[in-house]
Amino acid sequence: GDSVTQMEGPVTLSEEAFLTINCTYTATGYPSLFWYVQYPGEGLQLLLKATKADDKGSNKGFEATYRKETTSFHLEKGSVQVSDSAVYFCALTGGYGGATNKLIFGTGTLLAVQP
Amino acid sequence: EAGVAQSPRYKIIEKRQSVAFWCNPISGHATLYWYQQILGQGPKLLIQFQNNGVVDDSQLPKDRFSAERLKGVDSTLKIQPAKLEDSAVYLCASSPLGTKADTQYFGPGTRLTVL
Repeated sequence: GDSVTQMEGPVTLSEEAFLTINCTYTATGYPSLFWYVQYPGEGLQLLLKATKADDKGSNKGFEATYRKETTSFHLEKGSVQVSDSAVYFCALTGGYGGATNKLIFGTGTLLAVQP
Repeated sequence: EAGVAQSPRYKIIEKRQSVAFWCNPISGHATLYWYQQILGQGPKLLIQFQNNGVVDDSQLPKDRFSAERLKGVDSTLKIQPAKLEDSAVYLCASSPLGTKADTQYFGPGTRLTVL
């Protein structure tokens, strides 16, 4: 079945460092890809998405490009801040072509940014 | 615009007891989802409704879990009887129909502890 694999954490960085969180997927059909973020004590929030190959999603300085040839959707940010500390989830939907839009999530990657 | 509302935020029960969670989606959103997020894992879909009909309940443990959305608006998820392994955060999400159907908006979740 469809699945998402993302790098294990925690990822610990100093403020202003470059961030990459790797995400690869397995899916039939043409899924949409997402990054969700969960800040401490808060619910899941959509960070960015891409709906077709070569699309780039971006938000709050974060970017990810839908790479069909490598089945990847890696999250990047050029300069992280302490306020970016959170758990990041890669997810997909729609790859199986069914009526459901259920999200299939990776296991999450904890990012800790130190001042 | 008000977000997805859930209650209670926290619940502690003993095994074999019953518990119910409530969710009110964003106004006008036809689709409602219940996810289970076990500590250290990504959320997993339990059930998806479109209006008051079930779209996908393939991963709902139907011997103990039930859910309803009688009027196509708010929803209740029940566990009876609870087991230790049901300890998790239960997330409700909603999405509109149409071109933005692939974007889900999550509530803050209900953290269930089964002792």
